[in-house]
Amino acid sequence: EVQLVESGGNLAQPGGSLRLSCAASGFSFGIYRMNWVRQAPGKGLEWVSYISSGGSDVSYADSVKGRFTISRDNAKNSVSLQMNSLRDEDTAVYYCARASGGNFYHFDYWGQGTLVTVSS
Amino acid sequence: DIQVTQSPSSLSASVGDRVTITCRASQTIITYLNWYQQKPGRAPKLLIYAGTSLQSGVPSRFSGSGSGTDFTLTIRSLQPEDFATYYCQQSYIPPFTFGPGTRLDIK
Repeated sequence: EVQLVESGGNLAQPGGSLRLSCAASGFSFGIYRMNWVRQAPGKGLEWVSYISSGGSDVSYADSVKGRFTISRDNAKNSVSLQMNSLRDEDTAVYYCARASGGNFYHFDYWGQGTLVTVSS
Repeated sequence: DIQVTQSPSSLSASVGDRVTITCRASQTIITYLNWYQQKPGRAPKLLIYAGTSLQSGVPSRFSGSGSGTDFTLTIRSLQPEDFATYYCQQSYIPPFTFGPGTRLDIK
């Protein structure tokens, strides 16, 4: 069974840092692209970041570019999101999502999410 | 960046109804369009990918159509478990933008 379990969500101060992790199991993690998607309270979904299967290709939403860094450890079946210079507007539930489909890229499995609250 | 809009933003329907939700991209995305369902407090669930392909395990009452810039999600014969929020997402080029969502309520 495919499972994605996020952790690391917490209360952080503006300007602070957090590191989110996503532990994957039940599939060959090293051949899948992975993503982070977030959802602010009562709002819609916002794609945050992507990392290729080998980790060499990454992409970010403009809203987090230069502040967030995605990485992965295929030996440990995990993907991480280092979040620096946090802002109030980064408050959200953060989901990791597996991407499938080759060119027709879609997110077929999601974790349960981890809550990040940025507040003084 | 490619902008994605959805209409309506909300709608009310009854069990057994047929409903259609529309998604429009700001430029052609060929058929790189996915649909997700989300219930309160839960992670999104993939329904349709590549515009028309039904994800494994998703009931056949869900269908997708469209290409280019205009797409639709149709739910034939609504069931009680279908009342949720629906999002489209373009996967043509990053950022992989989501639409703002369509909330489907029970009438």
